Amino acid sequence: QQQVKQSPQSLIVQKGGISIINCAYENTAFDYFPWYQQFPGKGPALLIAIRPDVSEKKEGRFTISFNKSAKQFSLHIMDSQPGDSATYFCAARGTNTGNQFYFGTGTSLTVIP
Amino acid sequence: SAVISQKPSRDICQRGTSLTIQCQVDSQVTMMFWYRQQPGQSLTLIATANQGSEATYESGFVIDKFPISRPNLTFSTLTVSNMSPEDSSIYLCSVGGTLTDTQYFGPGTRLTVL
Repeated sequence: QQQVKQSPQSLIVQKGGISIINCAYENTAFDYFPWYQQFPGKGPALLIAIRPDVSEKKEGRFTISFNKSAKQFSLHIMDSQPGDSATYFCAARGTNTGNQFYFGTGTSLTVIP
Repeated sequence: SAVISQKPSRDICQRGTSLTIQCQVDSQVTMMFWYRQQPGQSLTLIATANQGSEATYESGFVIDKFPISRPNLTFSTLTVSNMSPEDSSIYLCSVGGTLTDTQYFGPGTRLTVL
């Protein structure tokens, strides 16, 4: 059973556009939601994270929007750049999952110059 | 954040052999994790390794196939035993995961089994 569902599987955006990746979860005990960015041949790197006590977190061009009632959260990349082309994973961890993180299936983002 | 290194970065192995992957962290950590990432897929947790105790394996992974060592607070190894082509994957070491932190990943070991 996939604990965190991520969409779309792939995304192509023009340079300067907005990239939006969505994730949904079922476990209401999840209380920490990070996003990871992975370039080919590299391990995933933490990009931005949010806890459910806020509805939005912004760091530079990257914003997480969080909807607790809908159990959904999304990553918005503003002014997308070719250097943002990578695979993005959402994840979740909760008080009843110990230290285990559950990852989405990933979104391959391509930003066209 | 922690700096994590893995060895080897990649390897090509023959069916039936074993490969040991090393993970080194630049600081002492309580918990280390081993993940598998199959081509184009998400990350799947193999096991959690605490120093001084037996590793805890997730469903579908067994110690005989993936023995893990955790001799100290900065180092761990994962062995992929009796390999088959289905074991071809990227194996990632990570640390962190406490309630006040997140997980940081090593660069991964890309394994190809022929």
